Amino acid sequence: DQQVKQNSPSLSVQEGRISILNCDYTNSMFDYFLWYKKYPAEGPTFLISISSIKDKNEDGRFTVFLNKSAKHLSLHIVPSQPGDSAVYFCAATSPEYGNKLVFGAGTILRVKS
Amino acid sequence: GAVVSQHPSWVICKSGTSVKIECRSLDFQATTMFWYRQFPKQSLMLMATSNEGSKATYEQGVEKDKFLINHASLTLSTLTVTSAHPEDSSFYICSASVGASYGYTFGSGTRLTVV
Repeated sequence: DQQVKQNSPSLSVQEGRISILNCDYTNSMFDYFLWYKKYPAEGPTFLISISSIKDKNEDGRFTVFLNKSAKHLSLHIVPSQPGDSAVYFCAATSPEYGNKLVFGAGTILRVKS
Repeated sequence: GAVVSQHPSWVICKSGTSVKIECRSLDFQATTMFWYRQFPKQSLMLMATSNEGSKATYEQGVEKDKFLINHASLTLSTLTVTSAHPEDSSFYICSASVGASYGYTFGSGTRLTVV
């Protein structure tokens, strides 16, 4: 049973436009959420995180939105750049879960120039 | 920022041999280290969690006798794939953490190919 779901396997966006990556979770114990960017044959790189006490966190071009009632979060990248092309993973955790990260399946983002 | 060094980055071994992968936190002491594996086009699946000085906790379905994890110090954890078989070929990634609110830093991964 997948506790963290990224239902879009891929997303294609024009350079300069907004990229919106979505993530849903089922376990209400999760209280900390993270987004990672990953290139093939490399480890994930941390992008941005959000605690369940917030509904928005912004860092430069990256903004994460959390809707706890819907158990949904999204990552907005604006403006999108060709260098943003990678696989994006959503992850969730909580102290009750042993602080282990549970990852979604990932979304391949392609930013076209 | 926090850096985790993982070695080797790739390894090819013969079926039946053992392979050791090292994960080091270079500029911080990691109370917890996690080991993941990733099959092509799939998500990162947690294999085990290790805390310094104690036995690793393995996820359901992961053979602890096959995937030996040692976390001898706050900066080093090793994963040994024993008696490797072709189906063990995968991308293995470690992660180190001081605690959830301090974030998780990942190593660069190890591509294991068993022939």
